[in-house]
Amino acid sequence: IQMTQSPSSLSASVGDRVTITCRASQNIDTYLNWYQQKPGKAPKLLIYASSSLQTGVPSRFSGSGSGTDFTLTISSLQPEDYATYYCQQIDSTLWTFGQGTRVEAK
Amino acid sequence: EVKLVESGGGLVQPGGSLRLSCAASGFTFRNYRMHWVRQAPGKGLVWLSCIDSDGSITGSADSVKGRFTISRDNAKNTLYLQMNSLRAEDTAVYYCAFATPAGKPYWGQGTVVAVS
Repeated sequence: IQMTQSPSSLSASVGDRVTITCRASQNIDTYLNWYQQKPGKAPKLLIYASSSLQTGVPSRFSGSGSGTDFTLTISSLQPEDYATYYCQQIDSTLWTFGQGTRVEAK
Repeated sequence: EVKLVESGGGLVQPGGSLRLSCAASGFTFRNYRMHWVRQAPGKGLVWLSCIDSDGSITGSADSVKGRFTISRDNAKNTLYLQMNSLRAEDTAVYYCAFATPAGKPYWGQGTVVAVS
């Protein structure tokens, strides 16, 4: 299953609403996770099962979608949110990841 | 608390071998399919291989087929990745991971492999 994530990068300011999309090449139900990664750190789980917020993750992060189209939304970008974000499908035994979206300061 | 702790990484010469380990605790290890994922410097996340709860090997990425072998010891709650014929492009952080039936994933913090 191929995961197509867009955009590959974006520039945004603190307070902006940020949306990242991920499209699967076939139906993955809601087996879609979102991660945030900062340089030198392991990926941090934000959202699992498309829309479930991981414990401890701020509520400004939300996820939606099912089937093939998914969205990660940051409702009001904070300074600590500048990072790279990845989607991941786990519907198939062979997991696959999006190529990542780098969120940079405008 | 679920914990996955990888070890065994290090510096190895091209053509050499390493065996990575992933010690699991806080969950019933023998009940879950386990995975290895890696990330090369400055690159994205790449799934490598997985193994079913009973030790059946479910799949491997083409890039490591024939060179890397996944295995597990359910009595020791440990997952392994035997890496042979290592290449410079295998330089990466290696993570073990699993997901619950509800779709929640758990990852370790990773171990660094450098091939040079």
